[in-house]
Amino acid sequence: EAGVAQSPRYKIIEKRQSVAFWCNPISGHATLYWYQQILGQGPKLLIQFQNNGVVDDSQLPKDRFSAERLKGVDSTLKIQPAKLEDSAVYLCASSLDTGHYGYTFGSGTRLTVV
Amino acid sequence: QKEVEQDPGPLSVPEGAIVSLNCTYSNSAFQYFMWYRQYSRKGPELLMYTYSSGNKEDGRFTAQVDKSSKYISLFIRDSQPSDSATYLCAMKPGTSYGKLTFGQGTILTVHP
Repeated sequence: EAGVAQSPRYKIIEKRQSVAFWCNPISGHATLYWYQQILGQGPKLLIQFQNNGVVDDSQLPKDRFSAERLKGVDSTLKIQPAKLEDSAVYLCASSLDTGHYGYTFGSGTRLTVV
Repeated sequence: QKEVEQDPGPLSVPEGAIVSLNCTYSNSAFQYFMWYRQYSRKGPELLMYTYSSGNKEDGRFTAQVDKSSKYISLFIRDSQPSDSATYLCAMKPGTSYGKLTFGQGTILTVHP
């Protein structure tokens, strides 16, 4: 089966600019996650979708980050305006449903804010 | 205090060595325990999964969970250079909507 697709792979922007990341999960996976992984740290959950509804966005900095999952399939994560501390790898993952332990991760988008 | 603590290493071992990786946690609600392997510039991939306490073996890999001590371990026998990666422990509560919480990751290098 095809894996979780993410684009772009790399992005360099200046602070205060905006950026968007795209994710296409595994077909049939109802749950989609966006994680932020800062260098040297484990991934931290930003937002979790069940189909096209938000299950958990408690750690999403809502003043600058937004995410949507239209039609319960693809998802986009946006940062506006970006700060230096947003430099990280943004990982998208999907699973069959919220109770399932088997997450499949994409390769991530590496964001550098200068 | 972080919910999940993992020694970041780095850990460097010779080929063929037995590797022990560990995590401690503070949240008693965690019921599902996982180990992920992450190669450089790739996303994490699920390596081992254990529910509640006990041991699980898969080839050269053994996962152990001791809920009474809030301590989990991953053992790698006969380590190979291809095992060189970052190993992340991850845990999830028993509730359906519980989120997966990761440790910091341990960087492992197995040299020939």
